[in-house]
This record gives sequence, C-alpha cells and structure tokens, in this order.
Amino acid sequence: QSALTQPASVSGSPGQSITISCTGTSSDVGSYNRVSWYQQHPGKAPKLLIYEVTKRPSGVSNRFSGSKSGNTASLTISGLQAEDEADYHCSSYAGTTTFVIFGGGTKLTVL
Amino acid sequence: QLQLQESGPGLVKPSETLSLTCTVSGVSVSNSNNYWGWIRQPPGKGLEWIGTTYPSGGSNYNPSLKSRLNISIDTSKNQFSLKLSSVTAADTAVYYCARRTGESYSDYWGQGTLVTVSS
Repeated sequence: QSALTQPASVSGSPGQSITISCTGTSSDVGSYNRVSWYQQHPGKAPKLLIYEVTKRPSGVSNRFSGSKSGNTASLTISGLQAEDEADYHCSSYAGTTTFVIFGGGTKLTVL
Repeated sequence: QLQLQESGPGLVKPSETLSLTCTVSGVSVSNSNNYWGWIRQPPGKGLEWIGTTYPSGGSNYNPSLKSRLNISIDTSKNQFSLKLSSVTAADTAVYYCARRTGESYSDYWGQGTLVTVSS
C-alpha cells in the first residue's frame, strides 16, 4: 500500500489561510472517516490536531480544521501564526490488511 | 496525566534484533479502552506505522514488517514492547510509542528514541 500523497511544502504569510491536501485512494481515505492530522515541530513528537476527518481534540485551536472530499482529505489553518511553522502529517485507516498509512509530510513555512 | 516513555539501545548491529520498551504512566495498559502502538520516522522522512497491540493480547502489524515484528504487553510493569528482528540500515529511525484509539489516531505520544543500525 502506497503512502498518502501530500505536497512537500506550503507557505503563507501571517494572518492568511492555507490548506494542505492529503490524497489517498478508495481503499483508505475514500472509504473511511478515520483521517487524522498531526503537527510536528523540529525534534519533537507529533501532536494530534484533527481526528476522524473533522474533530479537534480538547486544547487544539479552532484555527485548525479538517475536511474530506472523495479520496482527498484537507487540513486548513486559518489566521496563520509564526508558531504554526512545522511539519504536518496526515494518516488514514486503510482496512484490515494494511490497517494504517501516513502521508509523506508537508513542511509549512510562515513567511 | 497520561505519559509514555520509550527506552532501549540507541545502536543496534545489522542482522540483530531491535528491542524497545514503552513505559506508560497515568493509565493502565490493561484498560480495554486503550490500544498501544509503535510508529517510526527515518531521518528527514515521514511517519510510518509499525503496529498496534491490544489488552486482549492481539496485535495488528504493518504488512511490510510483519515477518520480523513482535509487539507485546506486560501488564505487571504497565509497559508494552517492540521487537524487530534482522534489522538493516533502513530500520534506522526515531521510534515513537503512542496510545492509539482503535486504528484511527494516536492522541498521546512518547518523546521518541533514535535507533541507529550500524556495525
């Protein structure tokens, strides 16, 4: 099973909104509402931002939102802040053979 | 507060077995609502799910690693462990342990431990 496809990098200015895509197939993203997103600062462990496509854990800013259309999930960050500069990873459940796959990660640069 | 901490050798020789332990505090690993998993990240690359173990004793493994992999739970020590045999340089990575909710997401992570495979 191939990894989910994410852009290698995205950038935006403070205050702007950006969207990171995560493209899978009908065997993973397209079939299950079990897409999650993680933020990872350099040298740190990933932090859960979004789970089950659209849900935010307690304590995560409402500037982060998730959505899905067909085989592609998206993470939108509104009101970009300097501290949002990090790597972002998506993940999806992929059925009872492959179970879990991740994307290759996207580096967000806040200009 | 739930916390996880990985421990184990930072250097493993090629063809040997990589062994890591994750010590959990703040919740019992035998709680049926909690699943426990391992995820790794090669230097400069993305995350890779390794496998998940359940309090019942069952496990799900990444198909690409399954033949070399064993993940188990030790309820007496509130720990779970990873053993990956016949390692090569491609297994060099930061290894994270995490609490998983089903096979949906990981909400608590350890800090990660770098394991280098080299002679």
